[in-house]
Amino acid sequence: DAGVTQSPTHLIKTRGQQVTLRCSPISGHKSVSWYQQVLGQGPQFIFQYYEKEERGRGNFPDRFSARQFPNYSSELNVNALLLGDSALYLCASSFVTGELFFGEGSRLTVL
Amino acid sequence: AQSVAQPEDQVNVAEGNPLTVKCTYSVSGNPYLFWYVQYPNRGLQFLLKYITGDNLVKGSYGFEAEFNKSQTSFHLKKPSALVSDSALYFCAVRVTGGGNKLTFGTGTQLKVEL
Repeated sequence: DAGVTQSPTHLIKTRGQQVTLRCSPISGHKSVSWYQQVLGQGPQFIFQYYEKEERGRGNFPDRFSARQFPNYSSELNVNALLLGDSALYLCASSFVTGELFFGEGSRLTVL
Repeated sequence: AQSVAQPEDQVNVAEGNPLTVKCTYSVSGNPYLFWYVQYPNRGLQFLLKYITGDNLVKGSYGFEAEFNKSQTSFHLKKPSALVSDSALYFCAVRVTGGGNKLTFGTGTQLKVEL
């Protein structure tokens, strides 16, 4: 079975630009969560979506948004990029709650 | 608010020796506790979890963890370390009703040497 897949794996943007990251959950998983991992730190919770509805939001500015599609895949959007948004963005899926299964991440560099 | 502390940035151990990676937590409510491992430039891999029941939890790759409610700890252990266990280990906590909002520690780098 395929695990959680994320795209793109690496990308470089400049300050002020916008980025969209994509995630496909494990087949049968209906919940997708997004985490930001800055170098040298643990992952920080950004969003959880379940059945296309937002079920949780972390302490991130409104520049961060997400959505979940009918096939349970998800997109994370970040507008007006700042240097501090440079990080590994991790997507995780689960049935509803329980252990999270993480993808390999999308590494975003903002110049 | 919930929090996790991993007091050691790095743990060094010789191959074949037992290893312990420490974790303490703070929550208001019953905790769900997790350990994840991260290899360089990779995502996180689930090792084990504590929900309820036995305080000793067994997980993947020979790892286990002991839940201690009085000390609010959830230390990760392995009886005999392998060089291939060298990686970054994260402890995480969430509470009942907390959805999938995991709060992670800052991570402990485990180095297993020959």
